[in-house]
Amino acid sequence: DIQMTQSPSTLSASVGDRVTITCRASQSISGWLAWYQQKPGKAPKLLIYMASSLETGVPSRFSGSGSGTEFTLTISSLQPDDFATYYCQHYNSNSPFTFGPGTKVDIK
Amino acid sequence: QVQLVQSGPEVKKPGASVKVSCKASGYTFTSYDISWVRQAPGQGLEWMGWISTYSGNTKYEQKLQGRVTMTTDTATSTAFMELRSLRSDDTAVYYCARDLKVGLRGVFGYWGQGTLVTVSS
Repeated sequence: DIQMTQSPSTLSASVGDRVTITCRASQSISGWLAWYQQKPGKAPKLLIYMASSLETGVPSRFSGSGSGTEFTLTISSLQPDDFATYYCQHYNSNSPFTFGPGTKVDIK
Repeated sequence: QVQLVQSGPEVKKPGASVKVSCKASGYTFTSYDISWVRQAPGQGLEWMGWISTYSGNTKYEQKLQGRVTMTTDTATSTAFMELRSLRSDDTAVYYCARDLKVGLRGVFGYWGQGTLVTVSS
C-alpha cells in the first residue's frame, strides 16, 4: 500500500505569512493527490484535487503543486480563517485512499 | 444542494456492533460512490472503504476486512456502514463522504456531519 507523510507536523505562523506544507508518497501517485482543511469538530473540506486544481469556492491564496511522490500546498498570505489542520490524501484507485498524518497550522 | 445527513451518536460495549447511516439528498444517489472515513479522538483521518452505489461493489481497508460491511438502500438514498466486534480503539467520529465528480473516485467533495461512536464497557 502507498504511505503518505507530511512535514512539518505543526507549523506556527502569523497572519500574512506565506506557508508551505509538503506531502510525500511512498511511491509515484502521478497527480492523484487531494488536500483537505479541517477545523475542530468539523468535517474536512476539500481544497485541491489533481494536485493543483482548486475546488470551486476555495480562495485563490491556496495553491497546490507537485507530481509523482512530492507535493506541496501553499497558502500565499495566511488569513485568520486558515488556522486549521491540513491533510493530503492520495486517490490512486489501485491502493487504499490513504491520508497523510496532518499538519496543524497554529498562531505564532 | 448536496447533503449527507448521518445518524446520531452511539455508545456500544466492546464486542458489539454498530450501524451508521448516511442519507443523501440533492443529487442522483446511484451516480456517485460513497466512502467512509473515521477519525479517532485527536488523531488523523483513516479511510475505511467505499461502496459503489450503482453496483453495490465494495472495497475495504485491509485492516478492517471481516469486521466492516458497507451497504446501500437505493430506495431511500441511504448508505450504511456496519462495524462488528467493536474494540475501544474503534472509538471515533465516522464520516460518510461523496466523490466530488463522476470519474474522480476518492476525491471527497461532500461530507456528512460525522457520527461519534464510543466503545466503552
